[in-house]
Amino acid sequence: GIQVEQSPPDLILQEGANSTLRCNFSDSVNNLQWFHQNPWGQLINLFYIPSGTKQNGRLSATTVATERYSLLYISSSQTTDSGVYFCASGSRLTFGEGTQLTVNP
Amino acid sequence: EAQVTQNPRYLITVTGKKLTVTCSQNMNHEYMSWYRQDPGLGLRQIYYSMNVEVTDKGDVPEGYKVSRKEKRNFPLILESPSPNQTSLYFCAVALGATYEQYFGPGTRLTVT
Repeated sequence: GIQVEQSPPDLILQEGANSTLRCNFSDSVNNLQWFHQNPWGQLINLFYIPSGTKQNGRLSATTVATERYSLLYISSSQTTDSGVYFCASGSRLTFGEGTQLTVNP
Repeated sequence: EAQVTQNPRYLITVTGKKLTVTCSQNMNHEYMSWYRQDPGLGLRQIYYSMNVEVTDKGDVPEGYKVSRKEKRNFPLILESPSPNQTSLYFCAVALGATYEQYFGPGTRLTVT
């Protein structure tokens, strides 16, 4: 099956900093999603992005399908951005292990 | 956006006592699935359903059953729960042909 790897595993930022999270996947995919799991455990959809670039406020994502990776950019981070960020791929969604983001005030 | 509800949100039970976690959706989506999330193991798919009366095993189906008698509901059944089924469970629905999935709020299950 598809393998999904995320980096870095942990990231600590000061409020206002920018960051880039990376997701590598092992095979060509027709589905790539980014999620944010907040401290209450809820999984929030961020992007559905099998290819190309999308932006939503301070967040944007780019997937280069031919090179099998996706990037999530967070600009001007806020404490409410803290939590775990997952990428997941495939029609049955194979998840990466996540990036634990902590944004300090 | 899809609305997915799960009940109960929290459950503490004892080994061997049958339980059902319900999942329902409001948008007539065909694809529904169940995942469990465990520390160090991430999210793993238990079962999925492509449509009414069509279900299939995911990556970790042992100890679980599902049914899909109507499109909007996809209950997860634990006939004889064991402590290793203590976990955070998520139901998800997928939109159309893209399989973009939306998750319910989660059910935290503890089996003692």
